[in-house]
Amino acid sequence: ILNVEQSPQSLHVQEGDSTNFTCSFPSSNFYALHWYRWETAKSPEALFVMTLNGDEKKKGRISATLNTKEGYSYLYIKGSQPEDSATYLCAFKRLYFGNEKLTFGTGTRLTIIP
Amino acid sequence: GAVVSQHPSRVICKSGTSVKIECRSLDFQATTMFWYRQFPKQSLMLMATSNEGSKATYEQGVEKDKFLINHASLTLSTLTVTSAHPEDSSFYICSATAWDTQYFGPGTRLTVL
Repeated sequence: ILNVEQSPQSLHVQEGDSTNFTCSFPSSNFYALHWYRWETAKSPEALFVMTLNGDEKKKGRISATLNTKEGYSYLYIKGSQPEDSATYLCAFKRLYFGNEKLTFGTGTRLTIIP
Repeated sequence: GAVVSQHPSRVICKSGTSVKIECRSLDFQATTMFWYRQFPKQSLMLMATSNEGSKATYEQGVEKDKFLINHASLTLSTLTVTSAHPEDSSFYICSATAWDTQYFGPGTRLTVL
């Protein structure tokens, strides 16, 4: 059983503040780490696919880092806005021939307080 | 990005009936689609991998006779929950792979009375 843990489970952040949360995953047989943003009643939106140790990716005010040796990834949001309110999911893909399966964490539910 | 639709978004049915959920890739072809289920406060759990033109691959503990999957074309996979019971009430969501990323539909909330 693959364990993908996300913390915190939920988070309230004042508009304009920056925040970050964590995804931890198995450090062995790593292939990729995916981040998604999931707003209520919508489809999960793919944010990043991270594959290389030390990788840092950025999309607007959101960025993510990856440490495959210790098995964690951070997602950062700079200058939070109300539209950032969503559940942020990470998903781990294991190195395995022909494998496309993703194992998800339970998510971090972010609420931005205006 | 790629768009995946799912229908219906919500369904309520009586115990013992069967329910069909459709998953479509709208602007790309998908030889592989995935079906997940999510119970309250839990993560998305993969149920099965749907392969176009061949049998689906089910995860351990998922009954293939209960959750019938058909992937008859490169843009459509269906999940049929047969003889649904209250314990099948859950959120079901599909995804399809394009350019090394899985794109998700908006999900289906199934309530079995």
